[in-house]
Amino acid sequence: ETGVTQSPTHLIKTRGQQVTLRCSSQSGHNTVSWYQQALGQGPQFIFQYYREEENGRGNFPPRFSGLQFPNYSSELNVNALELDDSALYLCASSPQDSPYEQFFGPGTRLTVL
Amino acid sequence: AQSVSQHNHHVILSEAASLELGCNYSYGGTVNLFWYVQYPGQHLQLLLKYFSGDPLVKGIKGFEAEFIKSKFSFNLRKPSVQWSDTAEYFCAVAILTGGGNKLTFGTGTQLKVEL
Repeated sequence: ETGVTQSPTHLIKTRGQQVTLRCSSQSGHNTVSWYQQALGQGPQFIFQYYREEENGRGNFPPRFSGLQFPNYSSELNVNALELDDSALYLCASSPQDSPYEQFFGPGTRLTVL
Repeated sequence: AQSVSQHNHHVILSEAASLELGCNYSYGGTVNLFWYVQYPGQHLQLLLKYFSGDPLVKGIKGFEAEFIKSKFSFNLRKPSVQWSDTAEYFCAVAILTGGGNKLTFGTGTQLKVEL
């Protein structure tokens, strides 16, 4: 059974640029959630996708957007990058019958200069 | 909005010592509760979960947690820690109604176990 995978592992961008992060969910999972983990903090919920639709959103501005594809993989897009966007971005997938039981990927470390 | 508090940010123990990490949440409704662990260089892994039923739940690697509804607490315990338990531990809460399936995490507790 393949777990949650994310790409890229690390990324360096400059302020104002745009970035796309990718996530493949664990086999059999149809729900994907994205979290931002700043240094020294716990993960913070960005949004969740189920059946290719956004299914809940945290307190993040609209420049954070996402997609889910028919194979349940997902993308997180961030426009107009700011220095404070530097963080570890985590993707988690969960099965349909247990949406709160989330399995996390290794994350993408984004550095904004 | 719900919040999760982990009172101990850094804990240092010797091997074989007992461990208790505190977690309190601020929501009066029905919740699911989780402890996740992040070993150095690895991703977040589920340690244990509480959905309903017996408030004392057992997880992997000898960890257990007790849900005390009246205290809004879900403390993590282990009778005897090992060096390999060195990691960061996160408590997380999911609100079952109107919570949007999200997990709210605490700020984490960094545990260091010394030989």
